[in-house]
Amino acid sequence: AQSVTQPDIHITVSEGASLELRCNYSYGATPYLFWYVQSPGQGLQLLLKYFSGDTLVQGIKGFEAEFKRSQSSFNLRKPSVHWSDAAEYFCASKTSYDKVIFGPGTSLSVIP
Amino acid sequence: DAGVIQSPRHEVTEMGQEVTLRCKPISGHDYLFWYRQTMMRGLELLIYFNNNVPIDDSGMPEDRFSAKMPNASFSTLKIQPSEPRDSAVYFCASTPPQGLAGWAGELFFGEGSRLTVL
Repeated sequence: AQSVTQPDIHITVSEGASLELRCNYSYGATPYLFWYVQSPGQGLQLLLKYFSGDTLVQGIKGFEAEFKRSQSSFNLRKPSVHWSDAAEYFCASKTSYDKVIFGPGTSLSVIP
Repeated sequence: DAGVIQSPRHEVTEMGQEVTLRCKPISGHDYLFWYRQTMMRGLELLIYFNNNVPIDDSGMPEDRFSAKMPNASFSTLKIQPSEPRDSAVYFCASTPPQGLAGWAGELFFGEGSRLTVL
């Protein structure tokens, strides 16, 4: 069955430091892949998406992600984290059956 | 443009009562999804519709849960009778038609309905 894993439940970084959040998916073909961010008490907002083409995709708020088929990964990166980036981050995958499933999420804390 | 609208934002009820959550998707979107979010289980897909027709309800936890989409602009998720373990945030999300340029099936989420069953 299709699944999305995010190995890190919680990450703490200092403001200004770089960030990488890990995501792995299991699906035979190339899935549609997404990263969403959720601020407390809010719904989820799309950061970026990948479905074909260049494997390095740019998103909003200075985020980027790289699709690596050989590793079944779609890791999210940001070169310099801001305090406002503290939130919950979800990786998601969509199959050809239109079902979108989410990973368990990674909670990001930012130290001033 | 208006986003996905959910109501109520907060609901506190007692065990055994009926709960109805409502969702208005973005106009023109043809898929609608209901998710449940809890600390223990994360985001779970409950059911989704395409053009008002339920496609997959395998995530609906029990017969106490039911969902309808009588028209393209309205959906309900009903729990009857409610139990304390149903306490969660319920999200509705919609996606635009596949034919649009750049389509990738991204979800547009509402702000959620926080349900507390005492």
